[in-house]
This record gives sequence, C-alpha cells and structure tokens, in this order.
Amino acid sequence: DQQVKQNSPSLSVQEGRISILNCDYTNSMFDYFLWYKKYPAEGPTFLISISSIKDKNEDGRFTVFLNKSAKHLSLHIVPSQPGDSAVYFCAASTQAGTALIFGKGTTLSVSS
Amino acid sequence: EAQVTQNPRYLITVTGKKLTVTCSQNMNHEYMSWYRQDPGLGLRQIYYSMNVEVTDKGDVPEGYKVSRKEKRNFPLILESPSPNQTSLYFCASSRRTGGEAEAFFGQGTRLTVV
Repeated sequence: DQQVKQNSPSLSVQEGRISILNCDYTNSMFDYFLWYKKYPAEGPTFLISISSIKDKNEDGRFTVFLNKSAKHLSLHIVPSQPGDSAVYFCAASTQAGTALIFGKGTTLSVSS
Repeated sequence: EAQVTQNPRYLITVTGKKLTVTCSQNMNHEYMSWYRQDPGLGLRQIYYSMNVEVTDKGDVPEGYKVSRKEKRNFPLILESPSPNQTSLYFCASSRRTGGEAEAFFGQGTRLTVV
C-alpha cells in the first residue's frame, strides 16, 4: 500500500503562472516531508522541506504547505519558469525511520 | 564539492553475469542507501546502511546484495542479474536517518539486463 501518493502524473503550466503540485500520505507517523526535483539523466536534488510542526515553509519562489488533518501537502511554485520543468517527488520520513518514502512523482512542464 | 558518485552511469549486461555498481560519498555521511526508479513506481529503496558494517533490507531487496566496509563506499552487487532488474539506480547518502534527513543522490546508473 502506497504511503505517499502523488495522484497527478503530470501538470502543464504557462510561464509566469502558479504551479501547484499535490501529495497525500497515509502514515500519521510521518513527521518530516521533503520535495525533490529531478531532471532527465540526473539524480534527484533536494528542493524544500517542512517539519510536521509547521504548516508552511517558504524558500524564494517555492512554498510548501502542510495540512496534517487532511494528510496533505502541496508545493507552490510562483512564478513558474521553463527551467522548472522536471519531475517532482514528494517524500516523507519519521524520526526513527530508515528511509525516505517517495511518491511516484509528478512531471511538471512549464511552457513559455 | 559535496557529491555522491556512482559508476558506471550506463551498463548493458547479460542475464546471470555478476556485476557491481559502485557508490562513493565525500560528505562523511553515516547513512547510505540504494533506490531503483521504474516507470509508474517512483523511487523504491533496495538496501540501506546506517554505518560501517551495518546494512539492512529496504522495500525491494530481492536479487541484490550490498556491503559497507568503509564509511564512504556502498557498492550494490547483483550476483545473477535478471531482466526484471533493468532499471535506473540511485545511490543516496545523508547525515542521519529519519527526521531532517535530506538525502544527496548520485547521478544514477541505467542498467539494462538482456
């Protein structure tokens, strides 16, 4: 059973608009959430994270929102740029965990 | 420069021929792991290591072995590769497990088993 779900395999957005990528989780023990970005032929790179004690974390154009009651988090990219086109993975971990649990990823395409 | 280095980047091999994918990190991280990425399945953990000589199975360990004789190296061994192990493999390292465990990934190894 998938513990981290990214239900949208793909998202297309115009340059300058907002991109919203969603992620749901089932394990209430998760207490840290991360977003990774992956370009073709490269490994995933860390983008932004949020602790379960917060509901928002912002870093430049990227903001992650966490709704613990709904077990839902989202990544907002404003404004979107063509260079943001990549696969975005949502991941979760627990304090005592031994792995990052990844979603299946969402492919973002930003057109100019 | 902090990095995780995997070799080779691309490999085509035949069924049953033993192979090793190397992974090395220069950040003195204790925690290292291997993932495989398959279409529609995301990243799934194969094995992990919490320190030298400490390894354990992840979600999909069948057909793989690992060793951690030194802190910086964590090779992935396929004793008898099969076509269902054709995949994109990533090695990752982090300061610790759990919590704020930002992982650093290698560039990946694309393995094809024919």
